[in-house]
Amino acid sequence: GAGVSQSPSNKVTEKGKDVELRCDPISGHTALYWYRQSLGQGLEFLIYFQGNSAPDKSGLPSDRFSAERTGGSVSTLTIQRTQQEDSAVYLCASGQVQETQYFGPGTRLLVL
Amino acid sequence: AQTVTQSQPEMSVQEAETVTLSCTYDTSESNYYLFWYKQPPSRQMILVIRQEAYKQQNATENRFSVNFQKAAKSFSLKISDSQLGDTAMYFCAFMTPGGTSYGKLTFGQGTILTVHP
Repeated sequence: GAGVSQSPSNKVTEKGKDVELRCDPISGHTALYWYRQSLGQGLEFLIYFQGNSAPDKSGLPSDRFSAERTGGSVSTLTIQRTQQEDSAVYLCASGQVQETQYFGPGTRLLVL
Repeated sequence: AQTVTQSQPEMSVQEAETVTLSCTYDTSESNYYLFWYKQPPSRQMILVIRQEAYKQQNATENRFSVNFQKAAKSFSLKISDSQLGDTAMYFCAFMTPGGTSYGKLTFGQGTILTVHP
C-alpha cells in the first residue's frame, strides 16, 4: 500500500518568507508526528497529532512554527518568517497511537 | 527524560561480513519500545527492527538481530552477511507508550555504516 508522502521534496526560500510543508500519512493511521533533522541538533521531535488535535506541541522551537491536521489525514507544518537556522530536513511519520511509526521521505528546507 | 547514545559515529564492514552497531539508553520507565531505523542517502527512514522491553527474547528480522540487555540498558544491532544496500545511517530510537510521552521517539545521534565490496 501507499506509504507516507511529503511535499515538496526540496524547498529553497529566502529569509523572512513563510513556507508550508505537507504530509500525507498512511490511510487509517491516527497518530501523526513531525520531526526535524539538522546537522547540529540531530533528530528532534516537533509535534504530535492524535486525529485532528495536537496534545503535544512541546517540540515546536518558536511561535513561528505551527501545524494543523484536517480530516484526520493531511497535515501541514507552517514556518513563518523563516530564519537560516530553520534549514533542515523535516520528517513526518504516522502510525497507530503509540505504536511503530512509519516515515515519509522528508522535505529538505534551505533558507538563504 | 530519556536519552539515547550511539557511541560509534562511523563504521565500515566488508560485504558478506558481520557488523554490530551499539546503542545505550537511559530511562526510569519499565515499559518501553526500542527501534533501529535505517536512513539511506534517499533520506527515507526505514524501520529495521523493533523490540518490546517486556520481551526477553531478542528480536530478529532476517539478517538483522538485536542484543537487548535490559539491565545494562543496551540495545545493539547485528547485521549478518552485510550487503552493499545496507550502506546507510542507522538510528537507535526509544519510545514510551502511554502517558504524556504520546509515543514520540527519542533518537540517538546515528551511526554511518559503509559496506565495502
